[in-house]
Amino acid sequence: QVQLVQSGAEVSKPGSSVKVSCKASGGTFSTFTINWVRQAPGQGLEWMGRIIPILGMTNHAQSFQGRITLTADKSTSTAYMELSSLRSEDTALYFCARGFNDYFDKWGQGTLVTVSS
Amino acid sequence: SYVLTQPPSVSVAPGKTAMITCGGNNIGTKIVHWYQQKPGQAPVLVVYDDTDRPAGIPERFSGSKSGNTATLTISRVEAGDEAEYYCQVWETGSAHYVFGTGTKVTVL
Repeated sequence: QVQLVQSGAEVSKPGSSVKVSCKASGGTFSTFTINWVRQAPGQGLEWMGRIIPILGMTNHAQSFQGRITLTADKSTSTAYMELSSLRSEDTALYFCARGFNDYFDKWGQGTLVTVSS
Repeated sequence: SYVLTQPPSVSVAPGKTAMITCGGNNIGTKIVHWYQQKPGQAPVLVVYDDTDRPAGIPERFSGSKSGNTATLTISRVEAGDEAEYYCQVWETGSAHYVFGTGTKVTVL
Protein backbone atom coordinates (compact mmCIF):
# COMPACT_ATOMS: atom_id res chain seq x y z
CA GLN A 1 0.00 0.00 0.00
CA VAL A 2 1.70 3.18 -1.21
CA GLN A 3 1.98 6.07 1.21
CA LEU A 4 3.22 9.54 0.35
CA VAL A 5 5.59 10.98 2.94
CA GLN A 6 6.55 14.62 2.70
CA SER A 7 9.49 16.56 4.05
CA GLY A 8 9.23 18.71 7.16
CA ALA A 9 8.14 22.27 7.72
CA GLU A 10 10.15 25.10 6.19
CA VAL A 11 10.67 28.75 7.01
CA SER A 12 11.91 30.82 4.09
CA LYS A 13 12.65 34.47 3.49
CA PRO A 14 10.83 36.55 0.89
CA GLY A 15 12.52 36.28 -2.48
CA SER A 16 14.13 32.93 -1.74
CA SER A 17 13.16 29.43 -2.89
CA VAL A 18 11.84 26.37 -1.12
CA LYS A 19 11.99 22.73 -2.18
CA VAL A 20 9.54 20.19 -0.78
CA SER A 21 9.90 16.45 -1.26
CA CYS A 22 7.31 13.68 -1.49
CA LYS A 23 8.47 10.06 -1.21
CA ALA A 24 6.31 7.12 -2.24
CA SER A 25 6.78 4.69 0.62
CA GLY A 26 5.78 1.06 0.18
CA GLY A 27 5.66 1.21 -3.58
CA THR A 28 6.77 3.05 -6.68
CA PHE A 29 5.43 5.83 -8.81
CA SER A 30 4.40 3.40 -11.50
CA THR A 31 2.37 5.20 -14.17
CA PHE A 32 0.60 7.62 -11.85
CA THR A 33 1.02 11.37 -11.70
CA ILE A 34 2.22 13.26 -8.64
CA ASN A 35 0.33 16.47 -8.10
CA TRP A 36 0.99 19.40 -5.82
CA VAL A 37 -1.87 21.18 -4.08
CA ARG A 38 -1.58 24.03 -1.65
CA GLN A 39 -3.85 25.51 0.99
CA ALA A 40 -3.28 28.97 2.41
CA PRO A 41 -4.40 29.52 6.02
CA GLY A 42 -8.19 29.40 6.20
CA GLN A 43 -8.50 29.04 2.43
CA GLY A 44 -9.45 26.33 -0.04
CA LEU A 45 -7.43 23.89 -2.11
CA GLU A 46 -5.41 25.17 -5.06
CA TRP A 47 -3.89 22.84 -7.66
CA MET A 48 -0.36 23.88 -8.51
CA GLY A 49 0.91 21.35 -11.04
CA ARG A 50 1.77 17.74 -11.73
CA ILE A 51 4.54 15.49 -12.98
CA ILE A 52 4.42 12.10 -14.63
CA PRO A 53 7.54 10.64 -12.99
CA ILE A 54 8.22 7.86 -15.47
CA LEU A 55 8.19 10.36 -18.33
CA GLY A 56 9.39 13.51 -16.59
CA MET A 57 6.54 15.45 -18.21
CA THR A 58 5.05 18.33 -16.25
CA ASN A 59 2.33 20.93 -16.43
CA HIS A 60 1.29 23.57 -13.96
CA ALA A 61 -1.28 26.20 -13.22
CA GLN A 62 -0.75 29.48 -15.00
CA SER A 63 -0.57 31.37 -11.72
CA PHE A 64 2.74 29.69 -10.93
CA GLN A 65 4.29 30.30 -14.34
CA GLY A 66 8.00 30.90 -14.06
CA ARG A 67 8.17 30.12 -10.34
CA ILE A 68 7.50 26.39 -10.02
CA THR A 69 9.78 23.49 -10.87
CA LEU A 70 8.58 19.91 -10.60
CA THR A 71 11.01 17.03 -10.70
CA ALA A 72 11.11 13.36 -9.78
CA ASP A 73 13.82 10.84 -8.95
CA LYS A 74 12.59 7.45 -10.14
CA SER A 75 15.41 5.64 -8.37
CA THR A 76 14.14 6.78 -4.97
CA SER A 77 10.45 7.23 -5.88
CA THR A 78 10.65 10.82 -4.69
CA ALA A 79 9.02 13.86 -6.26
CA TYR A 80 10.07 17.44 -5.62
CA MET A 81 8.34 20.79 -5.86
CA GLU A 82 10.48 23.91 -5.86
CA LEU A 83 8.84 27.33 -5.63
CA SER A 84 10.96 30.41 -6.18
CA SER A 85 10.63 34.16 -5.63
CA LEU A 86 8.66 33.46 -2.48
CA ARG A 87 6.32 36.09 -1.07
CA SER A 88 4.21 36.19 2.06
CA GLU A 89 1.16 34.98 0.11
CA ASP A 90 2.98 31.67 -0.50
CA THR A 91 2.67 30.83 3.19
CA ALA A 92 0.57 27.68 3.04
CA LEU A 93 0.29 23.97 3.63
CA TYR A 94 1.62 22.14 0.58
CA PHE A 95 0.35 18.65 -0.24
CA CYS A 96 1.49 16.11 -2.77
CA ALA A 97 -1.20 13.77 -4.08
CA ARG A 98 -1.17 10.78 -6.37
CA GLY A 99 -3.26 11.27 -9.47
CA PHE A 100 -5.28 8.35 -10.74
CA ASN A 101 -7.80 8.77 -13.58
CA ASP A 102 -8.07 12.50 -12.92
CA TYR A 103 -8.71 12.27 -9.19
CA PHE A 104 -6.37 12.16 -6.21
CA ASP A 105 -6.54 8.88 -4.36
CA LYS A 106 -3.59 9.24 -1.97
CA TRP A 107 -2.25 12.33 -0.27
CA GLY A 108 0.86 13.21 1.64
CA GLN A 109 0.57 14.58 5.16
CA GLY A 110 1.32 18.13 4.06
CA THR A 111 4.32 20.43 4.50
CA LEU A 112 3.90 23.84 6.08
CA VAL A 113 5.89 26.53 4.31
CA THR A 114 6.11 29.86 6.10
CA VAL A 115 7.49 32.86 4.25
CA SER A 116 8.72 35.45 6.69
CA SER A 117 11.58 37.87 7.02
CA SER B 1 -10.31 30.19 -15.81
CA TYR B 2 -12.85 27.55 -14.91
CA VAL B 3 -14.72 28.09 -11.64
CA LEU B 4 -16.57 25.60 -9.47
CA THR B 5 -18.96 27.25 -7.02
CA GLN B 6 -20.07 25.68 -3.75
CA PRO B 7 -22.16 27.10 -0.90
CA PRO B 8 -19.84 28.30 1.88
CA SER B 9 -21.68 26.38 4.56
CA VAL B 10 -24.33 23.76 5.21
CA SER B 11 -25.78 22.96 8.63
CA VAL B 12 -27.54 19.69 9.36
CA ALA B 13 -28.90 17.88 12.39
CA PRO B 14 -27.59 14.41 13.25
CA GLY B 15 -29.48 11.70 11.41
CA LYS B 16 -30.65 14.06 8.69
CA THR B 17 -29.43 14.51 5.12
CA ALA B 18 -26.87 17.07 3.92
CA MET B 19 -26.69 18.06 0.27
CA ILE B 20 -23.66 19.95 -1.03
CA THR B 21 -23.86 21.42 -4.50
CA CYS B 22 -21.09 22.19 -6.99
CA GLY B 23 -21.89 24.37 -9.96
CA GLY B 24 -19.81 25.08 -13.03
CA ASN B 25 -20.21 25.88 -16.70
CA ASN B 26 -20.98 22.69 -18.60
CA ILE B 27 -20.18 20.60 -15.53
CA GLY B 28 -22.49 18.01 -17.00
CA THR B 29 -19.77 17.23 -19.53
CA LYS B 30 -17.08 16.79 -16.87
CA ILE B 31 -16.38 14.06 -14.35
CA VAL B 32 -16.71 15.24 -10.76
CA HIS B 33 -14.87 14.02 -7.69
CA TRP B 34 -15.41 14.90 -4.02
CA TYR B 35 -13.08 15.20 -1.03
CA GLN B 36 -13.59 15.51 2.70
CA GLN B 37 -11.05 17.50 4.70
CA LYS B 38 -11.00 17.71 8.48
CA PRO B 39 -8.98 20.42 10.25
CA GLY B 40 -5.24 19.82 10.16
CA GLN B 41 -5.58 16.77 7.91
CA ALA B 42 -5.06 15.97 4.26
CA PRO B 43 -8.15 15.67 2.08
CA VAL B 44 -9.74 12.23 1.67
CA LEU B 45 -11.48 11.11 -1.51
CA VAL B 46 -15.11 10.24 -0.74
CA VAL B 47 -16.67 10.06 -4.23
CA TYR B 48 -14.99 9.65 -7.61
CA ASP B 49 -16.24 9.54 -11.19
CA ASP B 50 -19.47 11.36 -10.24
CA THR B 51 -21.02 8.51 -8.26
CA ASP B 52 -18.49 5.88 -7.15
CA ARG B 53 -17.20 5.40 -3.62
CA PRO B 54 -13.66 4.32 -2.73
CA ALA B 55 -13.24 1.29 -0.50
CA GLY B 56 -13.89 2.17 3.12
CA ILE B 57 -16.19 5.13 2.44
CA PRO B 58 -19.66 4.57 3.96
CA GLU B 59 -22.65 4.12 1.67
CA ARG B 60 -24.08 7.23 3.35
CA PHE B 61 -21.93 9.26 0.95
CA SER B 62 -23.29 9.45 -2.58
CA GLY B 63 -22.73 11.62 -5.63
CA SER B 64 -25.01 12.70 -8.44
CA LYS B 65 -25.09 15.17 -11.30
CA SER B 66 -27.89 16.94 -13.13
CA GLY B 67 -27.64 19.77 -15.61
CA ASN B 68 -25.00 22.26 -14.48
CA THR B 69 -24.86 21.00 -10.90
CA ALA B 70 -23.15 18.12 -9.16
CA THR B 71 -24.28 17.12 -5.68
CA LEU B 72 -22.69 15.27 -2.79
CA THR B 73 -25.32 13.82 -0.47
CA ILE B 74 -24.54 12.65 3.04
CA SER B 75 -27.38 10.57 4.47
CA ARG B 76 -27.92 9.88 8.18
CA VAL B 77 -25.34 12.51 9.08
CA GLU B 78 -23.06 11.77 12.02
CA ALA B 79 -20.96 14.11 14.15
CA GLY B 80 -17.83 12.70 12.49
CA ASP B 81 -19.00 14.01 9.10
CA GLU B 82 -18.32 17.58 10.21
CA ALA B 83 -15.64 18.78 7.79
CA GLU B 84 -14.92 20.86 4.72
CA TYR B 85 -15.97 19.28 1.41
CA TYR B 86 -14.52 20.08 -2.02
CA CYS B 87 -15.57 19.09 -5.52
CA GLN B 88 -12.92 18.73 -8.22
CA VAL B 89 -12.78 18.30 -12.00
CA TRP B 90 -10.23 18.08 -14.79
CA GLU B 91 -10.57 21.09 -17.07
CA THR B 92 -9.65 19.80 -20.51
CA GLY B 93 -9.30 23.20 -22.17
CA SER B 94 -6.54 24.42 -19.89
CA ALA B 95 -5.23 20.96 -18.91
CA HIS B 96 -5.66 21.92 -15.27
CA TYR B 97 -7.32 20.42 -12.25
CA VAL B 98 -9.85 22.69 -10.56
CA PHE B 99 -11.21 22.52 -7.03
CA GLY B 100 -14.48 23.95 -5.87
CA THR B 101 -14.61 26.78 -3.38
CA GLY B 102 -15.37 24.41 -0.52
CA THR B 103 -18.35 23.85 1.79
CA LYS B 104 -18.11 23.69 5.56
CA VAL B 105 -20.57 21.11 6.89
CA THR B 106 -21.61 21.73 10.48
CA VAL B 107 -23.46 19.06 12.44
CA LEU B 108 -25.83 20.76 14.86
